[in-house]
Amino acid sequence: IAGITQAPTSQILAAGRRMTLRCTQDMRHNAMYWYRQDLGLGLRLIHYSNTAGTTGKGEVPDGYSVSRANTDDFPLTLASAVPSQTSVYFCASSGGPHSYNEQFFGPGTRLTVL
Amino acid sequence: AQSVTQLGSHVSVSEGALVLLRCNYSSSVPPYLFWYVQYPNQGLQLLLKYTSAATLVKGINGFEAEFKKSETSFHLTKPSAHMSDAAEYFCAVWGGSNYKLTFGKGTLLTVNP
Repeated sequence: IAGITQAPTSQILAAGRRMTLRCTQDMRHNAMYWYRQDLGLGLRLIHYSNTAGTTGKGEVPDGYSVSRANTDDFPLTLASAVPSQTSVYFCASSGGPHSYNEQFFGPGTRLTVL
Repeated sequence: AQSVTQLGSHVSVSEGALVLLRCNYSSSVPPYLFWYVQYPNQGLQLLLKYTSAATLVKGINGFEAEFKKSETSFHLTKPSAHMSDAAEYFCAVWGGSNYKLTFGKGTLLTVNP
């Protein structure tokens, strides 16, 4: 692994189902983030984690939860998916030495909720 | 608190023409500023960053940006557009005590042959 990986690449999900989007980084970065990207709205922060064991709410946290059990992994869970959660989800990380808070992004997960 | 405004959600240029993508920011502390590029169906990739060193920052693929504190701007330029530059471009600012970046809504660049 080099950088950030996300799984699955894409998913079609029935409304009301539970879904976990996976994110793993191998850069030993302290901070990790989840964004959703929607046409015309740019990137909006869902949740973040400044270090393992801590999480925080971003701009649009409702309907989503995260955990940060270790440095490398930062899963995003939709407990009961709704159609408005149809989006492209990006995981990112930052906080390596001399990074000046530059964020590195994963390839994204395209989620469709029907 | 910080914010970013990208002027123009869509910019269209001819191949070989100057590219100018505008970004204005607000920040209560000296900011770090970034430009990211997103090619279709891909994640965001860092183009360049300003971290309080030189005000003219050179990035990848021939892009550069100039930090102008008096204008609170960080516009992205490239002297001669190439077809491969067609993508969406995001400006972002970090100006707080946590790790969070604030992104603009993006500018879609179209390059016409």
